[in-house]
Amino acid sequence: DAGVIQSPRHEVTEMGQEVTLRCKPISGHNSLFWYRQTMMRGLELLIYFNNNVPIDDSGMPEDRFSAKMPNASFSTLKIQPSEPRDSAVYFCASCLDRPNTEAFFGQGTRLTVV
Amino acid sequence: GNSVTQMEGPVTLSEEAFLTINCTYTATGYPSLFWYVQYPGEGLQLLLKATKADDKGSNKGFEATYRKETTSFHLEKGSVQVSDSAVYFCALSYTGANSKLTFGKGITLSVRP
Repeated sequence: DAGVIQSPRHEVTEMGQEVTLRCKPISGHNSLFWYRQTMMRGLELLIYFNNNVPIDDSGMPEDRFSAKMPNASFSTLKIQPSEPRDSAVYFCASCLDRPNTEAFFGQGTRLTVV
Repeated sequence: GNSVTQMEGPVTLSEEAFLTINCTYTATGYPSLFWYVQYPGEGLQLLLKATKADDKGSNKGFEATYRKETTSFHLEKGSVQVSDSAVYFCALSYTGANSKLTFGKGITLSVRP
């Protein structure tokens, strides 16, 4: 398996623009997580899905952020409109929803909003 | 709620030095405990894990023992290498459906030749 695949790897956009980050989890994994990593705040869980259903979105910073998982092999994280403070590395991770399993991370999307 | 506390960083060591990175957790019940490592420019990857009290996880010369009495999962390595330079995250999760990982803030380790 190719692992968790995220795209794009790097994104530079202007303030106010819409940004869409994409994630393909490992085949067969039924839990998916979106994290944001910054120097100031470290690693923050934004939202996680189980069997394509959002379970906990309490980490989503505000209404500008939205996430979807239309099927088991694809998820998106959208920011509209984007702001400079959204600049961060965004990670997607997936795992099997069973005891003692570990999560596998993608390589991340580095977002810069100017 | 659940939380993971790691020692403040960064940590700088000379090659072949002994490493300890402290991690304590607050949780109810019996979580599984993990150490993840993030090399520069990459995502996090699992380093080791322990799923019950007194279990010892080990990988690549690193070890950590699940201590329920002290709610700790300290990471150790007897002799670090320059290639160990990375960010290390302690994490916990629960067994069962809809479990999610709770991470500590991470600590940066730099190893000098």
